[in-house]
Amino acid sequence: NAGVTQTPKFQVLKTGQSMTLQCAQDMNHNSMYWYRQDPGMGLRLIYYSASEGTTDKGEVPNGYNVSRLNKREFSLRLESAAPSQTSVYFCASSEAIVKFFGPGTRLTVL
Amino acid sequence: GQQLNQSPQSMFIQEGEDVSMNCTSSSIFNTWLWYKQDPGEGPVLLIALYKAGELTSNGRLTAQFGITRKDSFLNISASIPSDVGIYFCAGRPPYGAGSYQLTFGKGTKLSVIP
Repeated sequence: NAGVTQTPKFQVLKTGQSMTLQCAQDMNHNSMYWYRQDPGMGLRLIYYSASEGTTDKGEVPNGYNVSRLNKREFSLRLESAAPSQTSVYFCASSEAIVKFFGPGTRLTVL
Repeated sequence: GQQLNQSPQSMFIQEGEDVSMNCTSSSIFNTWLWYKQDPGEGPVLLIALYKAGELTSNGRLTAQFGITRKDSFLNISASIPSDVGIYFCAGRPPYGAGSYQLTFGKGTKLSVIP
């Protein structure tokens, strides 16, 4: 039982490049989330998916898109990366209010 | 939106000392959660509180759901080096069903000096 897994663990992009962050959970949770963590800012919600087939914007959705591929997987896409998107990205899943987090993807945009 | 003030921002303590940190809000919450994040890892749930006045322990950790529903406290007794990390509080506002929006504090960074 791996919980929430994320790939890649580290990534460096040039401004304007695109990439997709992958997330999968094996806890059969309905809800999944993407957060970003920046120094002094805590965790900020980018997008969430309350159930398979639905997605909604969070606090900071600009510059991102998401896909809830199935119940297990929720991906985050950066179409044209910007330096302001340098951050640590966490995926999480939940059945009720308690969220379980993945280990994070550390993204640097040059 | 909801704002959580978490304090202190950082702490340096001697091994063996007790630690206290808290979160306050200008509005009420129905649930308080406390997470710990080890360096290079994702946050891990420590304690969940669901009722005003609730006091819950998890080993050396004790957390309380404030009676006003606008604050929560986390205490760590007899700190050890592995307590190092960032501690986050998170609150769920009293919206209707379907509220998935936990509000997170900005974290308290704890350093333990052996």
